[in-house]
Amino acid sequence: AQTVTQSQPEMSVQEAETVTLSCTYDTSESNYYLFWYKQPPSRQMILVIRQEAYKQQNATENRFSVNFQKAAKSFSLKISDSQLGDTAMYFCAFLEGRQGNLIFGKGTKLSVKP
Amino acid sequence: ETGVTQSPTHLIKTRGQQVTLRCSSQSGHNTVSWYQQALGQGPQFIFQYYREEENGRGNFPPRFSGLQFPNYSSELNVNALELDDSALYLCASSNRDREREQYFGPGTRLTVT
Repeated sequence: AQTVTQSQPEMSVQEAETVTLSCTYDTSESNYYLFWYKQPPSRQMILVIRQEAYKQQNATENRFSVNFQKAAKSFSLKISDSQLGDTAMYFCAFLEGRQGNLIFGKGTKLSVKP
Repeated sequence: ETGVTQSPTHLIKTRGQQVTLRCSSQSGHNTVSWYQQALGQGPQFIFQYYREEENGRGNFPPRFSGLQFPNYSSELNVNALELDDSALYLCASSNRDREREQYFGPGTRLTVT
C-alpha cells in the first residue's frame, strides 16, 4: 500500500525568507502523481503544485517549487519569499495513475512570522 | 467558472441519526471524491463517483454511502452516526478523462453528540 510521510509537524519562517517542507512516499508503481495542497484556517484545501512521476523536470509555480527525487521517493516543497498569507497546513498527496484517490500525509503546520 | 461548493457548512447531529451532505462539482468535471478529515489529520478517502457509478472505496463501513447525479453533483449519506464520525467532510471534483488534479470544496463540519 502506498504511504505518504511528512516528518515535520510544525515549522516557522520569517517573512521574505525561504522554507522547505519535506515529504517522502512509498510505492511500487511507476506511474503516479504528487501534489502539495495548502489548507489555511478557512479550511479550504487549495492545490499548490503538481508533479508527474515521468517528468524529470521539477515543477514550479511562482514562489513555489519542488525537489522531486524519484529514486529516493522524496518530494519536498520550497517556498521562496514567504508571505504572511502562506501560513497554513501543507499536505503532501500521492495519486497512483490507475486509481482515483489521493493519499495524504499528516501535514506540516507552517507559520510565517512578520 | 464556478468552483466546488458544499452544503451545509456546519451540522450538529445526535448519535444514531442519519445525515446527508451535498457537493456541487466544478463545471466540466465528471468525478467527485469524498474525504473525511479528523482534527489534526490528513484527509482519508471515503469513495469516488465517476459518471454516476462508484469507482473506488476506502476503508469505511457500508453505513457510508453516496450518489452522483446526472449533473455530476453528489451526496454523501451516513447512517447510524457514531461519535467518531465527527470530522470535516471534504468533497473534491475532477475530470478523470483529462487530468489528475482534484479541486476541493470548503467542507462540511459535522459534529456528532
